[in-house]
Amino acid sequence: QQPVQSPQAVILREGEDAVINCSSSKALYSVHWYRQKHGEAPVFLMILLKGGEQKGHDKISASFNEKKQQSSLYLTASQLSYSGTYFCGTEPELTGAQKLVFGQGTRLTINP
Amino acid sequence: DTEVTQTPKHLVMGMTNKKSLKCEQHMGHRAMYWYKQKAKKPPELMFVYSYEKLSINESVPSRFSPECPNSSLLNLHLHALQPEDSALYLCASSQDQFPHTGELFFGEGSRLTVL
Repeated sequence: QQPVQSPQAVILREGEDAVINCSSSKALYSVHWYRQKHGEAPVFLMILLKGGEQKGHDKISASFNEKKQQSSLYLTASQLSYSGTYFCGTEPELTGAQKLVFGQGTRLTINP
Repeated sequence: DTEVTQTPKHLVMGMTNKKSLKCEQHMGHRAMYWYKQKAKKPPELMFVYSYEKLSINESVPSRFSPECPNSSLLNLHLHALQPEDSALYLCASSQDQFPHTGELFFGEGSRLTVL
């Protein structure tokens, strides 16, 4: 079942912060985050595993609330290069066919 | 080499044509994937190969036929496609099939137009 992302679109000025949310109705094993720029392939950002661990690199971090089956992606002091569409992908817990299902995406536009 | 290479980048075909999309990776990954992506939509999983065997087919119409000749190559054979099959076809690979803790490496995609 497809995870739900919010918001669908965000427009920011350079230097502002953004939060993108991803929620699932199923118990999750992991949440993945990818960014896709227009005309390019999706690029991996990070994985969060069951256990609620927060991860991050540079000014992009993410958390995974296992109890709520929700993940949030935090972009601080946004840069122009952060523009693109962000997809979360979820893997269900170890039952049935294991596959990654992507949310509908959040389009992030960073203006100077 | 951390690349997934897809050819061709663009393909235009008629509904009666037979064509193939190719994907190659040399990272030693044991799982390879085909995704379909329509404009402004997320990638949708089509097929998964694990250790050169088809492990997931997401009820894809038989006009799409995947093939994994070896651990580095993945093909998608196309025959009698419909205009609604026009999309970006993305190939990806990962160390192992889900569940996994590694990333998916995506190719740049093959943009297919069916006339």
